[in-house]
Amino acid sequence: ETGVTQSPTHLIKTRGQQVTLRCSSQSGHNTVSWYQQALGQGPQFIFQYYREEENGRGNFPPRFSGLQFPNYSSELNVNALELDDSALYLCASSFMTGRDNEQFFGPGTRLTVL
Amino acid sequence: AQRVTQPEKLLSVFKGAPVELKCNYSYSGSPELFWYVQYSRQRLQLLLRHISRESIKGFTADLNKGETSFHLKKPFAQEEDSAMYYCALVYNFNKFYFGSGTKLNVKP
Repeated sequence: ETGVTQSPTHLIKTRGQQVTLRCSSQSGHNTVSWYQQALGQGPQFIFQYYREEENGRGNFPPRFSGLQFPNYSSELNVNALELDDSALYLCASSFMTGRDNEQFFGPGTRLTVL
Repeated sequence: AQRVTQPEKLLSVFKGAPVELKCNYSYSGSPELFWYVQYSRQRLQLLLRHISRESIKGFTADLNKGETSFHLKKPFAQEEDSAMYYCALVYNFNKFYFGSGTKLNVKP
């Protein structure tokens, strides 16, 4: 069994550019959630995918979009980057069976927007 | 709307002293609460969840619906407990709302 992995580890972009972050879920998990963690803050929920469909979204604009693939890996895409998008982006996978589904987190991707 | 408040950004205690990390929540539904921990240079990981009512690494947390609190407690802090602690509320079926975190520093 392998844990949640994310790539790349670090990324530097300039304002206005687009970025794609990747996440590989833990083996056997069918749900992935993405979070943005700004410096000194807790993770903020961006959206969740369950069986390749979006299953809820937090308070983030449409330029934040995602995909989940048949193998349950996932991508987070951010268009028209802004300086405030600089943060640690976390993905977390789980197996949705009902309530109280523990989420397993990846190490994160540190995005810096200049 | 859901909300989780962790009033202390930093909590410093001496080894062997009791620890209480505060968490208050606001949620109109039936709350499900977790504590996650992040040790230095490690990823965020589950510490405990309220429905299991278990003790992990000596930590316990009791859900108090009257006070809308889920404080994390340990009677005798250890240096290895030094970490960031996040309280999280589950809403809308498996969505997590995290507090801003408390950094626990246990001094020798």
